[in-house]
Amino acid sequence: GAGVSQSPSNKVTEKGKDVELRCDPISGHTALYWYRQSLGQGLEFLIYFQGNSAPDKSGLPSDRFSAERTGGSVSTLTIQRTQQEDSAVYLCASSPGLAGVFANTGELFFGEGSRLTVL
Amino acid sequence: DQQVKQNSPSLSVQEGRISILNCDYTNSMFDYFLWYKKYPAEGPTFLISISSIKDKNEDGRFTVFLNKSAKHLSLHIVPSQPGDSAVYFCAGNSGTYKYIFGTGTRLKVLA
Repeated sequence: GAGVSQSPSNKVTEKGKDVELRCDPISGHTALYWYRQSLGQGLEFLIYFQGNSAPDKSGLPSDRFSAERTGGSVSTLTIQRTQQEDSAVYLCASSPGLAGVFANTGELFFGEGSRLTVL
Repeated sequence: DQQVKQNSPSLSVQEGRISILNCDYTNSMFDYFLWYKKYPAEGPTFLISISSIKDKNEDGRFTVFLNKSAKHLSLHIVPSQPGDSAVYFCAGNSGTYKYIFGTGTRLKVLA
């Protein structure tokens, strides 16, 4: 498809289990972002990739969270030993570059998100 | 520290009237602002943006105004349509990778 693809769309898991969320960005987009939207909250920045490297992981809530990106394309967000407060919609976005750079609009293209429910 | 604030969690407007969604920011390093629209069970979609060197940007029914001295921006939708009912997020960017989003305003356009 032409857009950002995320899987699974819905995930229900038990507290303490590990989960993996996948993001397939738009082909050719070098920048990839993970955001989280908890109930009643805004979009919380988690991590950013430029190519395969993640210059800023400061948004990751705890060391239970990790992410990787391979081949400058697909990214996986892993949450270990899930807790109930991890329940949220996890959104992935990609972008061809930075705002103002190469005259692109800075627009982020979001996927539909992965809704995680931790029981 | 909430760098981008949308103080109105919800707004109801009659169809055909103007919708005004507000956003305040604290980070004076922001030089680019964007508005996104989000329908339930969908990802946010880009609506309109504005560079800090401008004070207005217009695209069809949507106009964004930027007041740098007040650190305030607003999105005007006129005329409002029922299909505009969604959650609207504003975001700031300081020329880096990091986009800081507000908490969103839920707009309901009444037919």
